[in-house]
Order: sequence, then C-alpha cells, then structure tokens
Amino acid sequence: SAVISQKPSRDICQRGTSLTIQCQVDSQVTMMFWYRQQPGQSLTLIATANQGSEATYESGFVIDKFPISRPNLTFSTLTVSNMSPEDSSIYLCSVPSGMGLRELFFGEGSRLTVL
Amino acid sequence: AQSVTQLDSQVPVFEEAPVELRCNYSSSVSVYLFWYVQYPNQGLQLLLKYLSGSTLVKGINGFEAEFNKSQTSFHLRKPSVHISDTAEYFCAVSAITGTYKYIFGTGTRLKVLA
Repeated sequence: SAVISQKPSRDICQRGTSLTIQCQVDSQVTMMFWYRQQPGQSLTLIATANQGSEATYESGFVIDKFPISRPNLTFSTLTVSNMSPEDSSIYLCSVPSGMGLRELFFGEGSRLTVL
Repeated sequence: AQSVTQLDSQVPVFEEAPVELRCNYSSSVSVYLFWYVQYPNQGLQLLLKYLSGSTLVKGINGFEAEFNKSQTSFHLRKPSVHISDTAEYFCAVSAITGTYKYIFGTGTRLKVLA
C-alpha cells in the first residue's frame, strides 16, 4: 500500500486567486493522478502526472487552469488557477499500487471553497 | 469506453439489517472492478476488488461483492450493518489492458439508522 499526504486539507479562497495543492507519497511511484470531486458527485480524473514529462490532461481540463508539477517520484502539485465558485470541490491525489499496480490509493483530499 | 451505473443514490437501512448496494457497468473490453468507501471528510479507501479468479470477493469490514459477467454487475453486500458503515460507496472499473484510468460511479450514500 501507499501512504499519501495532501496539503492543505481545506481552504477558503477568494475568486480570481490561485491555490496550489501538494501531494507527497511515502514511496516512489511512476504515475500520480489528480481527481476532482464536486459537491455530491463522483470523481472525475483531471490529469495524470508523470515524472520527467508533461502531465496528461483529460477532456475538459487544460494546463492553463490546472498546471501540474512532478519534480520527483514522490511528489506532485496541482494548482487551481483563477478560481471561481465552480471550482469549489474536493481535489484528490491518488497513486496506483498493490497487485499489478491495479489498486488506487487516495490521499485525504483537499477541500476548496471559493467565495 | 467504460461506464458505471449505481442505481441507488441513497440507501437507508436499520442497524444489523442486511444491505445490498447495486453496481452495473458497461465496457467493450474486460475490466477490473472495485468498491471504495468514503467516510465523511476523508479520502477514498479500497473495500474490495475483483481482478480474476473466484467471482465472490471478500473485503474489509465484512463486505463482499459478486462479479456477474453475464449481467455486468458487481453488487456489494453486507449481512449485518453497523452505524459506523454510514458512508458514501463508489463502484469503479478499470480496463485490464491499456491505461490505469478508473471510471467511477456516482456513488451510493448508505445511511445506517439506529
């Protein structure tokens, strides 16, 4: 299994500002995933953060809005830029682990509220 | 492409009663199946998974699920629930080959009543 720490756990932000979320894993992993969970909804994959290359974004998500850094095999950041109330969500970092790397382990999430 | 349908958005059940949370999926390729639980203000925790072998899989906290390929279902069951089982439950699939991308259902909120 993998232990994942996210910071901040929650924050209240003003419209138009940006916030960077940090994700630290206790072991080296090739892939790290960033998910968004909007209020009362399921998880949607934002992007896959690959060490040594640019992140791969899913349809509907762009690098200008959600820039991602992956400086090493245990750490990644997701920035939510120019925030609006619609960005109020829980943002979750996850990594594949377990048998065949087919289990996803999640951080505790970062709950953002944009006013 | 894959999709996951959780038919019940909310399931109220009395303590010590049995519960079944339904999950159906659609996929043009073979998939792995998962159930995750999310307690209030926490991240997701893996309950159980089906990768291969026996279609009846047992997970943590007394939960089990049965993979039914013909009905493309992976329903979650527990014979006797506790108050502490109150949480959101997510069913997910991932293609056996290719990327590690997961597709999650919309979740079922289980509320256990005293």
